[in-house]
Amino acid sequence: DTAVSQTPKYLVTQMGNDKSIKCEQNLGHDTMYWYKQDSKKFLKIMFSYNNKELIINETVPNRFSPKSPDKAHLNLHINSLELGDSAVYFCASSQKGVGEQYFGPGTRLTVT
Amino acid sequence: AQSVTQPDIHITVSEGASLELRCNYSYGATPYLFWYVQSPGQGLQLLLKYFSGDTLVQGIKGFEAEFKRSQSSFNLRKPSVHWSDAAEYFCAVGVRGGGNKLTFGTGTQLKVEL
Repeated sequence: DTAVSQTPKYLVTQMGNDKSIKCEQNLGHDTMYWYKQDSKKFLKIMFSYNNKELIINETVPNRFSPKSPDKAHLNLHINSLELGDSAVYFCASSQKGVGEQYFGPGTRLTVT
Repeated sequence: AQSVTQPDIHITVSEGASLELRCNYSYGATPYLFWYVQSPGQGLQLLLKYFSGDTLVQGIKGFEAEFKRSQSSFNLRKPSVHWSDAAEYFCAVGVRGGGNKLTFGTGTQLKVEL
């Protein structure tokens, strides 16, 4: 049983396109996150949602829009993709206030 | 704002040797501290965590870490490294409240020589 799953695992697309990444967790957690890992392996938080409410919104271009239809799902939609958006995007989840986060396998986005 | 420093970008050890990966944090209060491991092409797996209490914490795969408040450090150790431990290791700090945001270090890549 996969705890935190993401689809797709790989995404190759051209500049200017719009794409979405989906995340689901079956851990019963109420908080979910998106992180971006760049080519140097640096991880940085982008967003977090608690019970469908946006909690953290770091300095991210507004081309990135997270959506949480329910507390088990958090999707990331990216408009007008740019070369610099190429990265691995990780979804994670936790129980609010507990601290430890469980990560999905990542989605490798390549923009050409 | 909190920050994490992992001074060693790469470390190479022989299989069976001991290992210590360094992590220093900057935060005004007692933070949550974590070590994660990332194998090539994989997600991050939680090795261990420190919230409070005993400053020596045990994790999975034979790893342990010690929280030293006076040195603002949370170093990861393993007495005998196995070839399968080769991976990228990340130290992270979380704050109490503030949306449970984790701030990661830049990672240490561990290579194990047979």
